[in-house]
Amino acid sequence: EDQVTQSPEALRLQEGESSSLNCSYTVSGLRGLFWYRQDPGKGPEFLFTLYSAGEEKEKERLKATLTKKESFLHITAPKPEDSATYLCAVQPNDYKLSFGAGTTVTVRA
Amino acid sequence: SQTIHQWPATLVQPVGSPLSLECTVEGTSNPNLYWYRQAAGRGLQLLFYSVGIGQISSEVPQNLSASRPQDRQFILSSKKLLLSDSGFYLCASWGGGELFFGEGSRLTVL
Repeated sequence: EDQVTQSPEALRLQEGESSSLNCSYTVSGLRGLFWYRQDPGKGPEFLFTLYSAGEEKEKERLKATLTKKESFLHITAPKPEDSATYLCAVQPNDYKLSFGAGTTVTVRA
Repeated sequence: SQTIHQWPATLVQPVGSPLSLECTVEGTSNPNLYWYRQAAGRGLQLLFYSVGIGQISSEVPQNLSASRPQDRQFILSSKKLLLSDSGFYLCASWGGGELFFGEGSRLTVL
């Protein structure tokens, strides 16, 4: 069975304080690893897809990396508007995504 | 890109009452469609998915059912709601290597 574990559950940062979120996974065959951002009361918003170990993608202050067993989402010099829940998901050998529970990030000004 | 419409956005229903949540998709044809549920503080749980009209796969046994009467319409239903059906329901559509989500429907069962 596919498993996705995200840590920490919650992260409180000061504005400008860089940090990383972890997503460890167990999947029979990985077609892709996805990162989403979710604001309270809203649907998840797509950030990145990573397909193979060693791949990296960046968007503004966010950078996602992938190894064979885990992915990291690095937040560099975060701003209050980066406050959200970040969800990780794996895509096994079909078109379903299995999600982790998420990491809730709060950035204080 | 796709746009996914869900309604109603918020719903408060008594235990034992019926449920119908609707989802329509714009900007694509013959999409794979999904219903997810998100309980407070938990991840997204896949409930149903559909690869075409009338084709529904259930991921977990439960009090809910899904139907796809048209290519871009996906409906989540229940004949009698339970307290445990409360949650945030998200419709999603697969396209271009990405899963697009609607804005969600929040259901509270009292």
